[in-house]
Amino acid sequence: AQSVTQPDIHITVSEGASLELRCNYSYGATPYLFWYVQSPGQGLQLLLKYFSGDTLVQGIKGFEAEFKRSQSSFNLRKPSVHWSDAAEYFCAVAPGGNEKLTFGTGTRLTIIP
Amino acid sequence: NAGVTQTPKFQVLKTGQSMTLQCAQDMNHEYMSWYRQDPGMGLRLIHYSVGAGITDQGEVPNGYNVSRSTTEDFPLRLLSAAPSQTSVYFCASRDISGNTIYFGEGSWLTVV
Repeated sequence: AQSVTQPDIHITVSEGASLELRCNYSYGATPYLFWYVQSPGQGLQLLLKYFSGDTLVQGIKGFEAEFKRSQSSFNLRKPSVHWSDAAEYFCAVAPGGNEKLTFGTGTRLTIIP
Repeated sequence: NAGVTQTPKFQVLKTGQSMTLQCAQDMNHEYMSWYRQDPGMGLRLIHYSVGAGITDQGEVPNGYNVSRSTTEDFPLRLLSAAPSQTSVYFCASRDISGNTIYFGEGSWLTVV
């Protein structure tokens, strides 16, 4: 069975600083990988996804993620965060096209002025 | 531009009561699913459906029933609510050829 680990429960970053959120997965084959963002009291919004091809994936709101098979990782990055990026971020994995997503426990991002 | 619509958004139940969380999508998606979100645990799959008339269990199905009589609707039933079912519930859908899952805005359920 697949699993996802997000080692950082809470991260605090200054506005304008760079950001990297970690995600490690466990799955026997090449998985489908996703990053979702959830603002307080809201649903989940898809930031980006990786299925195959170029291992550097661009998403919405200036986010990108890099798939590294050798490290079983799919870390999310942003070069310069904005106060509006404060939210909870979830990494998820699904076996090829299956809707049975397995989510990490999330990383809460706080932005300080 | 409705997408995935969940009702109600907020609900308080007493232990032992029954209720149905409604989920409807207007994108003609074959796949629909229900997740629950609990603090520190991410989202966990409750039940899913790959088409009308077909449902299957996810990771945490106990205490919940589902049915899929139409492509558009996928209701989640709690037959006898328990405090352990206090959670935020998300419905999701995707089409058979796409790989993007669309989520509803969530239903906040409290069982007292």
